Amino acid sequence: DQQVKQNSPSLSVQEGRISILNCDYTNSMFDYFLWYKKYPAEGPTFLISISSIKDKNEDGRFTVFLNKSAKHLSLHIVPSQPGDSAVYFCAGPVFQGAQKLVFGQGTRLTINP
Amino acid sequence: DVKVTQSSRYLVKRTGEKVFLECVQDMDHENMFWYRQDPGLGLRLIYFSYDVKMKEKGDIPEGYSVSREKKERFSLILESASTNQTSMYLCASSLPQRRYNSPLHFGNGTRLTVT
Repeated sequence: DQQVKQNSPSLSVQEGRISILNCDYTNSMFDYFLWYKKYPAEGPTFLISISSIKDKNEDGRFTVFLNKSAKHLSLHIVPSQPGDSAVYFCAGPVFQGAQKLVFGQGTRLTINP
Repeated sequence: DVKVTQSSRYLVKRTGEKVFLECVQDMDHENMFWYRQDPGLGLRLIYFSYDVKMKEKGDIPEGYSVSREKKERFSLILESASTNQTSMYLCASSLPQRRYNSPLHFGNGTRLTVT
């Protein structure tokens, strides 16, 4: 089964700079990965995804990069804004074609003014 | 917009009580999920349902059961609540994961405290 790991529990970035959140996975057979954002006392909301056939996907200030050889994906936020302060989770199917998702441990991003 | 509604935002229950957490979605999604979120552990899947009356165990099903009698409603049941079940519980729904743009839509969560 797929595992996803976010090794940084927290990250602090100055407003206007780039935020880079990282995620490692174990199984090279996968369909896609997703990033979710979570504010306190709210459920996670879908942010951006990337399929296995791409190495980059961009949506406004958010870009996800996929490095298949390193089994690594990263989320870039440029420029970072105070409203980006939240917990970010990467997630992927438990196995290829699975309906269930497995989530990383999350990274708490704090944007400092 | 998809709406996933969890019946309670906060619950306080005593050890040994039977607890029901209710979740309703309004987008006719086939899939529904129950996750719990704990600090440092991320979101862990308790149970998953891909159709009415169909269910699959997730990673941590012990001490929980589920019920899906109608497509829009998915209930999580703690048969005999214990203090280690104190957590944030998140319900989610989705279309079948045939394509990568079928993300999960989450409710706002239920913060359960078992004393």
